[in-house]
Amino acid sequence: AQKVTQAQTEISVVEKEDVTLDCVYETRDTTYYLFWYKQPPSGELVFLIRRNSFDEQNEISGRYSWNFQKSTSSFNFTITASQVVDSAVYFCALSALSGAGSYQLTFGKGTKLSVIP
Amino acid sequence: GAVVSQHPSRVICKSGTSVKIECRSLDFQATTMFWYRQFPKQSLMLMATSNEGSKATYEQGVEKDKFLINHASLTLSTLTVTSAHPEDSSFYICSASDRTSDIYEQYFGPGTRLTVT
Repeated sequence: AQKVTQAQTEISVVEKEDVTLDCVYETRDTTYYLFWYKQPPSGELVFLIRRNSFDEQNEISGRYSWNFQKSTSSFNFTITASQVVDSAVYFCALSALSGAGSYQLTFGKGTKLSVIP
Repeated sequence: GAVVSQHPSRVICKSGTSVKIECRSLDFQATTMFWYRQFPKQSLMLMATSNEGSKATYEQGVEKDKFLINHASLTLSTLTVTSAHPEDSSFYICSASDRTSDIYEQYFGPGTRLTVT
């Protein structure tokens, strides 16, 4: 079975601070994908990144960066110079073969980020 | 590309009535659609998976007679909440994937907020 753990329930930072959101996953599959989504108060999920299990290169997109380490089964997300607009709930998710034989997304419980001006 | 719409975005219904939520893939063929439910301050929980032309597969604990899912075409799936009760009030999100091209990716709709009074 798949499992995604986001240990940080809520984080508050002051604007312009850097913040890292942690994500640890469990799967027996050797081929899988990891995702990060942002959910603002409106509720719509915003796709941020997708990473496959064979690509451990870190990725940077503007103020966002992701650190994927298979050795520790972690896929952490860092926001540099945070802004108030970054305030949202962030979900880490894993796509892998489920016990029922289909590919499903398993979500972590989410981390609520509040950026204080 | 890969746009998924949901209708309605918000619905209020009286206890005991039924409500239908539509999920459409606008620019691709959705061979598989997923329905999720999200209670306030919680994560997304998968309710069911449906393949076009087949009966939906429900997750454990989800009443299939209460949550009727129809996936009659490659662009449309519907979720009908029958005999709704206040505890069914939640945010319902659908997602769609084209398994012929990518078995791992899901594209999310904007969600439907259901309130049962």
